[in-house]
Amino acid sequence: GQNIDQPTEMTATEGAIVQINCTYQTSGFNGLFWYQQHAGEAPTFLSYNVLDGLEEKGRFSSFLSRSKGYSYLLLKELQMKDSASYLCAVMDSNYQLIWGAGTKLIIKP
Amino acid sequence: EADIYQTPRYLVIGTGKKITLECSQTMGHDKMYWYQQDPGMELHLIHYSYGVNSTEKGDLSSESTVSRIRTEHFPLTLESARPSHTSQYLCASSEKETDTQYFGPGTRLTVL
Repeated sequence: GQNIDQPTEMTATEGAIVQINCTYQTSGFNGLFWYQQHAGEAPTFLSYNVLDGLEEKGRFSSFLSRSKGYSYLLLKELQMKDSASYLCAVMDSNYQLIWGAGTKLIIKP
Repeated sequence: EADIYQTPRYLVIGTGKKITLECSQTMGHDKMYWYQQDPGMELHLIHYSYGVNSTEKGDLSSESTVSRIRTEHFPLTLESARPSHTSQYLCASSEKETDTQYFGPGTRLTVL
C-alpha cells in the first residue's frame, strides 16, 4: 500500500530552527509537496520538490532524497505564527496526491 | 497562485436536508478536487474532476455528488444530510505544470 509517515507533533522555541521529517512509500513518484495549515483554516502551499536536493524559500527550505523516500521541511528563525500543522503529500505514478496526516508544530516563547 | 472561492463558509442544517456547497476558481485550472477534513485529522479526497464533464469518486465513500459543467465551477451536493456529514469541506484546483493544488477557504458544515 501507499504510506506517508510524519511525526504527529513537535515543539520548538521561538527563534530556533526545526526540521520536520517525512518518509514515503508510494507506487511511483511525481513530486513531493509541503503545505502549512493553521487550525480551522485551509492548507496553503509551501514547497514542491521533484528532484533530489534542497529548495530554499526565505525562512523555509525543503529537501528531497528520492532513493531514500525521504523529505524534510526546515523552518528557521521560528516565529509564533509558524505554529500550525505541516502536511507532506506525494504525487504517485497515477498523478494522485497521497497525503500524510500532518505534523502539529507548537512554538513556545 | 489560484483564486478559489467557497460558499457558504459556515452552514448549520437539519438532518435530511439537501444542500449544495459551491466552489469556483478564476485561474482556468482544469483539475478540481473536494476534500473532507475533521479537526486535527488528515484530508480525505471525496471527488475530483479532470475537466468539464469529468467527475471521479475519491477514496472516501460519500453520499455526495458533484458536477462540472463549467471549468470554473465545481459544486458538491449532499442529497440528504446526516450528522455524520458534519465536517470541513475543502475545494482545491491545481495548475497544469506541477499539479500543485491550491485550496479555497473551506465550508464548515454542521448537521443537527
